[in-house]
Amino acid sequence: GNSVTQMEGPVTLSEEAFLTINCTYTATGYPSLFWYVQYPGEGLQLLLKATKADDKGSNKGFEATYRKETTSFHLEKGSVQVSDSAVYFCALSPLGDYKLSFGAGTTVTVRA
Amino acid sequence: DAMVIQNPRYQVTQFGKPVTLSCSQTLNHNVMYWYQQKSSQAPKLLFHYYDKDFNNEADTPDNFQSRRPNTSFCFLDIRSPGLGDAAMYLCATSRDSYNEQFFGPGTRLTVL
Repeated sequence: GNSVTQMEGPVTLSEEAFLTINCTYTATGYPSLFWYVQYPGEGLQLLLKATKADDKGSNKGFEATYRKETTSFHLEKGSVQVSDSAVYFCALSPLGDYKLSFGAGTTVTVRA
Repeated sequence: DAMVIQNPRYQVTQFGKPVTLSCSQTLNHNVMYWYQQKSSQAPKLLFHYYDKDFNNEADTPDNFQSRRPNTSFCFLDIRSPGLGDAAMYLCATSRDSYNEQFFGPGTRLTVL
């Protein structure tokens, strides 16, 4: 079956620190990969996506590269801000399928 | 801006009293989804509509029902809410079944 394993949190960082959240997946075929962000009390927002191997998704200073050889899609940001405090979900969608498989989520807190 | 709207943002109901949550979209997407998200967990898909075709997840309790009267609106009905149904309910849409999903802000349901 399809599954996503995400780095466990919570993660606490100082402002301007480097952030990495590890994400690995198990899937048949060539899934699409996503990072969603959820701010307190809000719904999920699509942060970035990649649909094929070696694609790099990027948005708001965040990046993630679809690595088929290591079945990974790690999220990185070079310099975090307090406003990046949120829960981050890695997710996959199998090719031609509607169903999103989510990781457990990683809570990130950035302190000034 | 095209968006997914959920009303109300906060809903309080009594144990066993039916409640309806609403979702509307201006994206003109074919697919609409309902998720349940409990505290500190990933969202769990309850069901989805592809146009008028209803698709129930195998483990969704019978207590949960849905209606989609037209392209723009979708409703979640909880016939007899229990204390365990207190959660955030998220609506999402996608253009087609293999495109990324866009989430609304959620409705937080409290059951007294």
